[in-house]
Amino acid sequence: GAVVSQHPSWVICKSGTSVKIECRSLDFQATTMFWYRQFPKQSLMLMATSNEGSKATYEQGVEKDKFLINHASLTLSTLTVTSAHPEDSSFYICSAGVVGVRSYEQYFGPGTRLTVT
Amino acid sequence: DQQVKQNSPSLSVQEGRISILNCDYTNSMFDYFLWYKKYPAEGPTFLISISSIKDKNEDGRFTVFLNKSAKHLSLHIVPSQPGDSAVYFCAARGNTGKLIFGQGTTLQVKP
Repeated sequence: GAVVSQHPSWVICKSGTSVKIECRSLDFQATTMFWYRQFPKQSLMLMATSNEGSKATYEQGVEKDKFLINHASLTLSTLTVTSAHPEDSSFYICSAGVVGVRSYEQYFGPGTRLTVT
Repeated sequence: DQQVKQNSPSLSVQEGRISILNCDYTNSMFDYFLWYKKYPAEGPTFLISISSIKDKNEDGRFTVFLNKSAKHLSLHIVPSQPGDSAVYFCAARGNTGKLIFGQGTTLQVKP
């Protein structure tokens, strides 16, 4: 149980275009989803927290107009990187918080490798 | 300000021996601590967690110890297996529910 999927697993796009990444909880409902970014050999950095039906909360230094997050349902959150630039190239990972007793656990998706050329 | 630190970037252990991964934190308000295992180009996989009100939690080959006075936790893997080779992240949960991750420790278990 507690499976989280991400799509696509990797994407290459040209500078200036936008890319949408989907995060789905497959066998549970997630009231809260988190979006992380990981640079090579570095830790996971939380970008934003998204709650179903409300606006995402962004971490300091993360541009909300550039990284658009939508959490339309209890099983789907999307991250759109708008007007992508090469410095946005990174590994993006989502996680979903489990509702209920084990709400402190987050289950992670497999990640999306974004390369902006 | 790094609230969660894993000071050892790498660890090499012989198969069958014990692996001990360490983690230090600064915020006494963290209420849960978690360990995740991560392979390259994959998302982290949850391993084991511990509440701040406990000092030990065990699950099979994995045991996590928490020393609140020292603000230190450790993950013990025994016996270590080659398949355990991965990057291990410790994470702490704050009162907002957000996880703060350490930098990770790369474990290599040699056959």
